[in-house]
Formats: sequence, C-alpha cells, structure tokens
Amino acid sequence: NAGVTQTPKFQVLKTGQSMTLQCAQDMNHEYMSWYRQDPGMGLRLIHYSVGAGITDQGEVPNGYNVSRSTTEDFPLRLLSAAPSQTSVYFCASSYGKDNEQYFGPGTRLTVT
Amino acid sequence: AQKITQTQPGMFVQEKEAVTLDCTYDTSDQSYGLFWYKQPSSGEMIFLIYQGSYDEQNATEGRYSLNFQKARKSANLVISASQLGDSAMYFCAMREFGNQFYFGTGTSLTVIP
Repeated sequence: NAGVTQTPKFQVLKTGQSMTLQCAQDMNHEYMSWYRQDPGMGLRLIHYSVGAGITDQGEVPNGYNVSRSTTEDFPLRLLSAAPSQTSVYFCASSYGKDNEQYFGPGTRLTVT
Repeated sequence: AQKITQTQPGMFVQEKEAVTLDCTYDTSDQSYGLFWYKQPSSGEMIFLIYQGSYDEQNATEGRYSLNFQKARKSANLVISASQLGDSAMYFCAMREFGNQFYFGTGTSLTVIP
C-alpha cells in the first residue's frame, strides 16, 4: 500500500513550457485534490475531484487543468508555465469530504 | 475576508506542558468541517484531528483536542504534554460548501527541552 504518490519530486521549467504533475493513490479514495503551498500562505486548493469523470475548481484554478479518468490517477497539467507558478504542489486523497486527507510527498516546481 | 485566520505565527512551549494554537474561521455554510494538520520540517502533511459543525462534543485524538466554539467561530487546537517531536508547522483548515477547502497560514510551534 503506497498511499499517495507524486512524480516528479523536483522540476525546473522555463516560462511557457507545459508539463504534467502525476498523482496516484491506491486506497480507492473517491476524493482527490491538488494544492499549492507558497511561503507564508498555507495551502491553496487548485482543483479537486469527487470521483472518476468529475472535477471542479478550487480557490486558484487559473493556469491549471485536471482530469480524472480513473479512481487512482489525478494528473495536474500546467499549460504554459509562469514564474508565479513556482511553488510546492501537493496531491491529496480521502475517502470522503470530511475524512482525513492523505497527502503525497509534494513536487517542488521552479519556473524561470 | 480570510476564511481561516491563525494569528500566532510562532509559539514556544516547554516540554511536557500544554499549548493552545488559535484558529478562527469565517463561513456562512451551516454544514462544514474543521481540520488540523501538522507539517514537520521534512515537509509531509499529517492529519491530526477533525470536528464537524454539527458535532456537539469537542473532538479528541490522543494528546490532541479541538476546542470548538461555534458561536465564536473558533477551533483551537490543544496539545497536551508537549513532546520534542511536536515541533512543526500546524495548519488549521476548513471545508465548506461541499468540497471547498481553505487552509490558514500556519503556526510554527517549537518545543523547548
């Protein structure tokens, strides 16, 4: 049981490049979320999903796309990276909306 | 307005003493959830405790308890018998209107031997 896995751990992008951050969980959780953590600002919700085929926007969705084709996977796509997207990205999953969220180890992204 | 406010950027506590970390929240939703997470210097996020808006009893999980005062919209975390391993960032979070989650800016707790 690996829990929530994220790849890559570190990434450096140039402005305008695109990439996908991968997230997978093996706990059969319906709820999955993506957050970004910036210094002094706590975590902010980017997008979330309540099940395969269902996604919705969080607090800071601009510049990011998500899809959920399977229960296990919830990738986050940066369409055209900007320096403002430099952050640590966390993926999380939970059984239900008021259950403990299990977080992945995070991806540290730098956009130059 | 901030959804979650943590007014203590840093706190110090003596080992074996109790400490209270403050959290106030802002919502017009009647059905919401409140959470506390711990983030050690290694970076992972660790769930500590949950309180539902309709729960009448304060939540407890081992050495952690949540002092829920609904009228004051506060959800303070109490850690009893602090240990050196409790040194970390602590985040208060709220779920409202279905699935919107908001985190506070965190409190850095340092336990002094």
